[in-house]
Amino acid sequence: NAGVTQTPKFQVLKTGQSMTLQCAQDMNHNSMYWYRQDPGMGLRLIYYSASEGTTDKGEVPNGYNVSRLNKREFSLRLESAAPSQTSVYFCASSDPRGGNLKETQYFGPGTRLLVL
Amino acid sequence: SQQGEEDPQALSIQEGENATMNCSYKTSINNLQWYRQNSGRGLVHLILIRSNEREKHSGRLRVTLDTSKKSSSLLITASRAADTASYFCATVETGANNLFFGTGTRLTVIP
Repeated sequence: NAGVTQTPKFQVLKTGQSMTLQCAQDMNHNSMYWYRQDPGMGLRLIYYSASEGTTDKGEVPNGYNVSRLNKREFSLRLESAAPSQTSVYFCASSDPRGGNLKETQYFGPGTRLLVL
Repeated sequence: SQQGEEDPQALSIQEGENATMNCSYKTSINNLQWYRQNSGRGLVHLILIRSNEREKHSGRLRVTLDTSKKSSSLLITASRAADTASYFCATVETGANNLFFGTGTRLTVIP
């Protein structure tokens, strides 16, 4: 089991460029999440997908779009990157059916994005 | 947002000492969780305490929850150098499913 995987690990973009961050989980989890982590601010939820076929905005969705491609994969797209989107992005998953562990989230290793 | 706040922001102790971190939050919760993040890595779940629980243990970890004060504490006993990491509390609001994270405590355990 690889758990939650993310690609790429590191990316440098110029302002206005677009890119897609990929996330996949092999734990058969229903729910998936995208967070960003900035210094001194903890993690903030960008978008989440409670189940395959659904997506919802989190705390900081502006400038991002998501796609729940299938149960395994949840991608995050920046259509026109801005320096304010320089951050570390984490994908996570959870299984609402998972008994006592249903509210536990499992995190990927992160993608470090620098927008110049 | 009901993002929690951890206190202190940074803590440095000698190996073998106990480390205590505190978390405060703003609204009613379903549960509160603690996560650890090693430098440059993702977060790892440590322990979950529900709103109707007051204390929970897991190995060298002890978590307390005081819903009247909207606060929680994480105690790590007999700390080890490998415990060096950032620790985050995260809350699940009553009726919601999403986690709201605090700003974290950076713990350094000196060998």
